[in-house]
Amino acid sequence: GAVVSQHPSRVICKSGTSVKIECRSLDFQATTMFWYRQFPKQSLMLMATSNEGSKATYEQGVEKDKFLINHASLTLSTLTVTSAHPEDSSFYICSAREDNPGAAQETQYFGPGTRLLVL
Amino acid sequence: DAKTTQPNSMESNEEEPVHLPCNHSTISGTDYIHWYRQLPSQGPEYVIHGLTSNVNNRMASLAIAEDRKSSTLILHRATLRDAAVYYCILRDRGYGGSQGNLIFGKGTKLSVKP
Repeated sequence: GAVVSQHPSRVICKSGTSVKIECRSLDFQATTMFWYRQFPKQSLMLMATSNEGSKATYEQGVEKDKFLINHASLTLSTLTVTSAHPEDSSFYICSAREDNPGAAQETQYFGPGTRLLVL
Repeated sequence: DAKTTQPNSMESNEEEPVHLPCNHSTISGTDYIHWYRQLPSQGPEYVIHGLTSNVNNRMASLAIAEDRKSSTLILHRATLRDAAVYYCILRDRGYGGSQGNLIFGKGTKLSVKP
């Protein structure tokens, strides 16, 4: 199956600093990518949808100025957590939908996740 | 998005078949049924999806009820590696706006005993 990578896999940062997480589709193109967040023992929560070359669409309750998303190419999306605080500590997971215009449903693949700890 | 209902947890013995149920009584005609699973500390992994007919792939089988109000994910021979949280998700065929987004519920935590 298609592979989605994330970097870094783990990051520890001080409160008030910014952290950038990269998401890459390694062997396919993805016009649409997604960012999820998962707290311990909870399910994944969709934060935002990004389309290559346009602004991201954020879910209700997610601060767009705090979670900056850039989808500059068909294989790369980045999430920057600005002025991170301890409550932003979480497991961040990206996902990429494989471009396949002829398919009834384009498969969506997930990255391995990035564990962020803000001290 | 139409919602799904799954048992919180299930247990299975290694090398036995596992049937994971999912109810989706409010499914619409354009909703596909997707299954993903998540191993501990990993991102979700695609398992299978279908619309009306039963589907088979190398990982599992998906049995869809005739009225489409329920479905069952079948693991033919459970292994220890299959211990994970399994998510049943309805995904609209359309892609406009939030259509087509994967919205995760709580899923079923599958434990596999040796």
